[in-house]
Amino acid sequence: NAGVTQTPKFQVLKTGQSMTLQCAQDMNHNSMYWYRQDPGMGLRLIYYSASEGTTDKGEVPNGYNVSRLNKREFSLRLESAAPSQTSVYFCASSWWGLSAFFGQGTRLTVV
Amino acid sequence: KNEVEQSPQNLTAQEGEFITINCSYSVGISALHWLQQHPGGGIVSLFMLSSGKKKHGRLIATINIQEKHSSLHITASHPRDSAVYICAVRDTGNQFYFGTGTSLTVIP
Repeated sequence: NAGVTQTPKFQVLKTGQSMTLQCAQDMNHNSMYWYRQDPGMGLRLIYYSASEGTTDKGEVPNGYNVSRLNKREFSLRLESAAPSQTSVYFCASSWWGLSAFFGQGTRLTVV
Repeated sequence: KNEVEQSPQNLTAQEGEFITINCSYSVGISALHWLQQHPGGGIVSLFMLSSGKKKHGRLIATINIQEKHSSLHITASHPRDSAVYICAVRDTGNQFYFGTGTSLTVIP
């Protein structure tokens, strides 16, 4: 099925552990995004990639790194997880004139 | 700073009622999106609009560019409409800004 595939769906980490969230889209979109969603707050942009090979920081980039491996894939890495990074993470893709398509989300808990 | 404000935050309605959710924004936009998020679930785009009005089934979205305001209407509401509805705007730099969402519960 066409769309945005995000893995894993759930993850529990201990403080200080690292992990990578994977995201892939098959709609040939140039723009890809990583957001976090916390209770009482709107989706906040962590990192953005306008096209293959480019990445830009969003509103809340601290503690995260990203890689735009190719046009399809955009991964988010937590090098040393902290409890403040407990959140639901969404990957999305879009392009001018198109709706945004979202992955199913990753519920991350850092203990 | 809140580029996108939604109201109400929470809404409870009886099945069959007409529902309106409002969205105001403060940035210049290329498009406005209405999204739906079911409990524990992903986010789905309902509408993308840059002017006027769009209709899909029982859902209607309108936008007034001059007033920087949009509304989402649900006619003949149904319990399966229960979800969080999120307003998002895409600025001229292709960035999205999101409201905090309106949690809708429709009671049978």
